[in-house]
Amino acid sequence: DSGVTQTPKHLITATGQRVTLRCSPRSGDLSVYWYQQSLDQGLQFLIQYYNGEERAKGNILERFSAQQFPDLHSELNLSSLELGDSALYFCASSATGSPPNYGYTFGSGTRLTVV
Amino acid sequence: DQQVKQNSPSLSVQEGRISILNCDYTNSMFDYFLWYKKYPAEGPTFLISISSIKDKNEDGRFTVFLNKSAKHLSLHIVPSQPGDSAVYFCAAENQAGTALIFGKGTTLSVSS
Repeated sequence: DSGVTQTPKHLITATGQRVTLRCSPRSGDLSVYWYQQSLDQGLQFLIQYYNGEERAKGNILERFSAQQFPDLHSELNLSSLELGDSALYFCASSATGSPPNYGYTFGSGTRLTVV
Repeated sequence: DQQVKQNSPSLSVQEGRISILNCDYTNSMFDYFLWYKKYPAEGPTFLISISSIKDKNEDGRFTVFLNKSAKHLSLHIVPSQPGDSAVYFCAAENQAGTALIFGKGTTLSVSS
């Protein structure tokens, strides 16, 4: 157990729907990062939050949004879902606003299937 | 455009031999690199890292080499073991120091 908790583990939904993925960072970590792993794309950085504030944005679509709450858990909201959004979504956390020398700690991911 | 590239999707090696995984990057301003390992149904886990002020970092059976002039790094696993079979991701810290940029990964299969 890495200490980063992601729920749900699996999600199947229809095109056009909206889903929310949840992440609880490792105890004491203030930063949360969201990544998407599609079949042929590797890990694509979506967005980072640090202590409740958005800190960095990557290749995140406008249909996607995220937030980090006062208890530091984070949610990634995906709306108007398309078949191409099917992927593994990973959350990672770190203590500070920058990746530490040992990198982030990843959760085990949420597998989203859009049908 | 991929800033971190792992051009070999897969690599097969026999147990006890050396595994060499390669990674190229395009941005000469990157100065910190990491390797992650990922097993099925698990998240990636940190393996080893290297700063651009070094050309080699070793941790047990794992050694990472960095060639800044060629913008190339490699991960050597010696000797390879069946338990090393996994997907290996190369990553670089972005210029802003806010996130890691990952390659697409190389699937290593070590046969006994």
